[in-house]
Amino acid sequence: QVPLQDSGPGLVKPSETLSLNCSISGGSISGYYWHWIRQPPGKGLDWIGHIYYSGNTKYHPSLNSRITISIDTSQRQVSLRLTSVTAADTAVYYCARGYSGGRPEAFDIWGQGTLVTVSS
Amino acid sequence: DIQMTQSPSSLSASVGDRVTITCRASQRISTYVNWYQQKTGKAPRLLIYDASSLQSGVPSRFSGSGSGTDFSLTINNLQPEDFATYYCQQSYNTPRTFGQGTKLDI
Repeated sequence: QVPLQDSGPGLVKPSETLSLNCSISGGSISGYYWHWIRQPPGKGLDWIGHIYYSGNTKYHPSLNSRITISIDTSQRQVSLRLTSVTAADTAVYYCARGYSGGRPEAFDIWGQGTLVTVSS
Repeated sequence: DIQMTQSPSSLSASVGDRVTITCRASQRISTYVNWYQQKTGKAPRLLIYDASSLQSGVPSRFSGSGSGTDFSLTINNLQPEDFATYYCQQSYNTPRTFGQGTKLDI
């Protein structure tokens, strides 16, 4: 198994920046996509972006101007940065591993999730 | 974006029942569909990948089928631990998208 540990502040003020980390303990980082997915309270799952181990990123178009995902392979950490947050960004944020292995990609390992509330 | 439309949005069933959840994609996506189970307060868990392949460690009472635009998840012989919310998800392109979820309760 490759446990993922999400971490970061649980409360962020409107207009400020949300920053979360995902620590990857054990297993390989290479060859995988690392995703961030969020879930507003009581609602469904929303994909917000991914990073390949090489550093290539893809973001949800609705967040493109506000989001940055980065990876530090030496620290075994993937980071999410979301600027100018509003109440609509309140959600549980999950990091997840995207596994392909010659087949359609699936999110096979998930972090435990971090609830981030945007409020003054 | 590819829209994934699940039905029903909620479903009541009993232990031992067989249930089927369907998911329709807004365009043809081959077999690029995955299914997840989520229990309250927990992260989702991958059940089925590539439309019909059972993820390691998932009980064989779970099965998936479909290709193109129409997909389904079937649970045979429902067990108490199966009462949860289920999501389909497409990995055909980005942005990755999920269905709105199906809540399965007793």
